[in-house]
Amino acid sequence: EIVLTQSPGTLSLSPGERATLSCRASQNVSSTYVAWFQQRPGQAPKLFMYGASFRASGFPDRFSGSGSGTDFTLTISRLEPEDFAVYYCHQYGTSPWTFGQGTKVEIK
Amino acid sequence: QVQLQESGPGLVKPSETLSLTCTVSGGSVNSGSYFWTWIRQPPGKGLEWIGYIYYSGSTNYNPSLRSRVTISTDTSKNQFSLKLRSVTAADTAIYYCARVLLDYGDPFYFDSWGQGTLVIVSS
Repeated sequence: EIVLTQSPGTLSLSPGERATLSCRASQNVSSTYVAWFQQRPGQAPKLFMYGASFRASGFPDRFSGSGSGTDFTLTISRLEPEDFAVYYCHQYGTSPWTFGQGTKVEIK
Repeated sequence: QVQLQESGPGLVKPSETLSLTCTVSGGSVNSGSYFWTWIRQPPGKGLEWIGYIYYSGSTNYNPSLRSRVTISTDTSKNQFSLKLRSVTAADTAIYYCARVLLDYGDPFYFDSWGQGTLVIVSS
């Protein structure tokens, strides 16, 4: 099983600041099969990035993804109030599909 | 626009079977373009993939649950279902159904989720 480790666990930032979230895999993952989800309290996760760097429809370009091999990064260039949420990375290239434990982006 | 809606008992006794159904509207479980999946999330914790089913009936389960889980489809009702046997308190979670778009047979991305349903395992 591929274990995904996200860091940091919590990111305390102010609106307008830049957020950088990391996702490290225990073994190589094809970037084709790396996704990121955003989850707000009481809501289902929402896909906003797939193939490591492709934004899902409706998500603004302040979100960007990158990475390859075992290291993947999500960057939010300027945090808006609606961006404060929990973010999960996910790999679906190797069974069993796995998720990271999540990074909470909270308002400082 | 496809919509997925989970339904089933919110309370299950230990050692019994958890049974949930996902009703699909605006799409067909008989389509070869998708995997129909189940994912769960214990309260306050992270996400765990349970498994998926393809329209052909082929399935893929998380090894951690494989001995207890069955996912099936009912094309007449346009639904897919989850059965988890011999549940314990550790199976208490929000259960989500979701659809994964395929690209030439390979998973492309999750394109729709249900709102989730909380199942509590308790006597």
